[in-house]
Amino acid sequence: AQSVTQPDIHITVSEGASLELRCNYSYGATPYLFWYVQSPGQGLQLLLKYFSGDTLVQGIKGFEAEFKRSQSSFNLRKPSVHWSDAAEYFCAVGARGTYKYIFGTGTRLKVLA
Amino acid sequence: DAGVIQSPRHEVTEMGQEVTLRCKPISGHNSLFWYRQTMMRGLELLIYFNNNVPIDDSGMPEDRFSAKMPNASFSTLKIQPSEPRDSAVYFCASSLGGDTNEKLFFGSGTQLSVL
Repeated sequence: AQSVTQPDIHITVSEGASLELRCNYSYGATPYLFWYVQSPGQGLQLLLKYFSGDTLVQGIKGFEAEFKRSQSSFNLRKPSVHWSDAAEYFCAVGARGTYKYIFGTGTRLKVLA
Repeated sequence: DAGVIQSPRHEVTEMGQEVTLRCKPISGHNSLFWYRQTMMRGLELLIYFNNNVPIDDSGMPEDRFSAKMPNASFSTLKIQPSEPRDSAVYFCASSLGGDTNEKLFFGSGTQLSVL
């Protein structure tokens, strides 16, 4: 079955600390992978995406993610978290040529001053 | 561009009433999506339009739900009659194309509460 798992529902980090949000997927076809961020009261905004090539992908706001095929993972990282990064983060998977994305259930990030 | 515009931002209604949610996609985008977000089920695709034509409505939960896209700049999602279990945040999103190569642009959502 196709699925996306974000094992951490909530994560709390201190401002300036590093961050890693986990994402594991199960997908039959070659996956296209995405991370979206949702600020309170807002829609989702694309942070980064991976289609092919270099497995380390850079995104907006200083985020990066690494695709590891052997582990079926696409974890999101940021070396130093800012208070404005507090939001909910969604991992999603799709396939080339399809409009269907499967979204994870999200990880809510809290940043301590 | 103003982005994807949804209205209303909040809707509170009583069970049995008709609810209409509205969406204006980004100009030039030819794909439009309606999603529903709940704590229990996360983000679910309800219906997908391409060039104003409904391509996939398999995610529409019941006949009580209907969606239209009369032109490239407007879409509605209607629930009639509404039920408390329909309470959720409903998002509209648009993109240039219909596949996952294309970035989705989301509206700010409509928070629906059915009492």
